[in-house]
Amino acid sequence: KAGVTQTPRYLIKTRGQQVTLSCSPISGHRSVSWYQQTPGQGLQFLFEYFSETQRNKGNFPGRFSGRQFSNSRSEMNVSTLELGDSALYLCASSLKGQETQYFGPGTRLLVL
Amino acid sequence: DAKTTQPPSMDCAEGRAANLPCNHSTISGNEYVYWYRQIHSQGPQYIIHGLKNNETNEMASLIITEDRKSSTLILPHATLRDTAVYYCIVRLPHGSSNTGKLIFGQGTTLQVKP
Repeated sequence: KAGVTQTPRYLIKTRGQQVTLSCSPISGHRSVSWYQQTPGQGLQFLFEYFSETQRNKGNFPGRFSGRQFSNSRSEMNVSTLELGDSALYLCASSLKGQETQYFGPGTRLLVL
Repeated sequence: DAKTTQPPSMDCAEGRAANLPCNHSTISGNEYVYWYRQIHSQGPQYIIHGLKNNETNEMASLIITEDRKSSTLILPHATLRDTAVYYCIVRLPHGSSNTGKLIFGQGTTLQVKP
């Protein structure tokens, strides 16, 4: 089985712009979770989607949003980018959310 | 906040067993212990998980104490490619509404040396 894929792998944006990141889960997996990793804060949970519905949300501002499509692919969007949004964004998929999560390679976002 | 405590760093000689400890003294009876590792700038890789019994797979062994307040991940023959940050995570039980959420601590940086 193919693993979790994320696109793009690298991205450079400027402050004030918005960005959309994509995640394709393992085939058959319906839960997708997103995480942000920074040197200062480590790995932090952003949100989880299951069957096109947001089921859990971490402590991030409303500029961070996401969605899931009927084929379980998920996107996350960050609007009005700030320098502090520079991070590695990871997504993970699992069958329904309660099983083992498998991570993708991440998207490295640099905000200038 | 993470419910686990791990040493920030450890060294291990190549070919020897690496024993990574984790304390989870407030773990509930139905919470699982998961281990992941992250090699520099890659996505975390699942290693193993357990509830009460010791577990073994092709990558590692997981030893959970009888009172479940601590566990040890064992890499039986460490190689240079095992150099990574290892995360021990206590996960809410299956069926809980929050099971899609992993709470990561700072992990243990394992340096395998030749």
